[in-house]
Amino acid sequence: EIVLTQSPGTLSLSPGEGATLLCRASQSVASTYFAWYQQKPGQAPRLLIYAASSRATGIPDRFSGSGSGTDFTLTIHRLEPEDFAVYYCQQYGSSPLTFGGGTKVEIK
Amino acid sequence: QAQLVQSGAEVRKPGASVKVSCWASGYTFTYYTIHWLRQAPGQRLEWMGWVDTDSGNTKYSQKFQPRVTITRDTSANTAYLELSSLTSEDTAVYFCARGPFFYYYMDVWGTGTTVTVSS
Repeated sequence: EIVLTQSPGTLSLSPGEGATLLCRASQSVASTYFAWYQQKPGQAPRLLIYAASSRATGIPDRFSGSGSGTDFTLTIHRLEPEDFAVYYCQQYGSSPLTFGGGTKVEIK
Repeated sequence: QAQLVQSGAEVRKPGASVKVSCWASGYTFTYYTIHWLRQAPGQRLEWMGWVDTDSGNTKYSQKFQPRVTITRDTSANTAYLELSSLTSEDTAVYFCARGPFFYYYMDVWGTGTTVTVSS
């Protein structure tokens, strides 16, 4: 099983600042098989990025993804108030599909 | 637009089974895979398995075998998750989610169903 480790656990930032979220895989993952999600309290996750860098339908261009192999990054440029949430990474290159433990982006 | 609506909250005793439904609307049901996942309080998302809605083929996480069964009814545009031999560790919110065939990310998520296992 591929274990995904996200860092930092919590990011305290102000609206307008940028955020960089990291996800490290225990084994190499092809970039085609990597995704990022946003989850707010009491809601289902929302797909942000698939194939490591492709934005899902309706996702603003302030969200971008990059990475390959074992290291992947989600970047949020100029945080908006609605961006404060928990973010999860996911690999879907091998079974079982696995998720990271999440990074909480909170208002400073 | 595409939506997945799940059945309501369930309470079960240890050792019992639960069956959760996921009704799809706004798209062609058999064009996408349906996944089932769960999230225990404060925990990461956990993938349980998927069903190929066209063929009915399934793939399960070994962690949940042989307790898990995922099925679909194409005439009702509905997928089902059944989990047996429940323990308190199965208390969680269960989600269905849609995804493309072969690339198993999830682009539309269900409304979530809380399952509580308590004596």
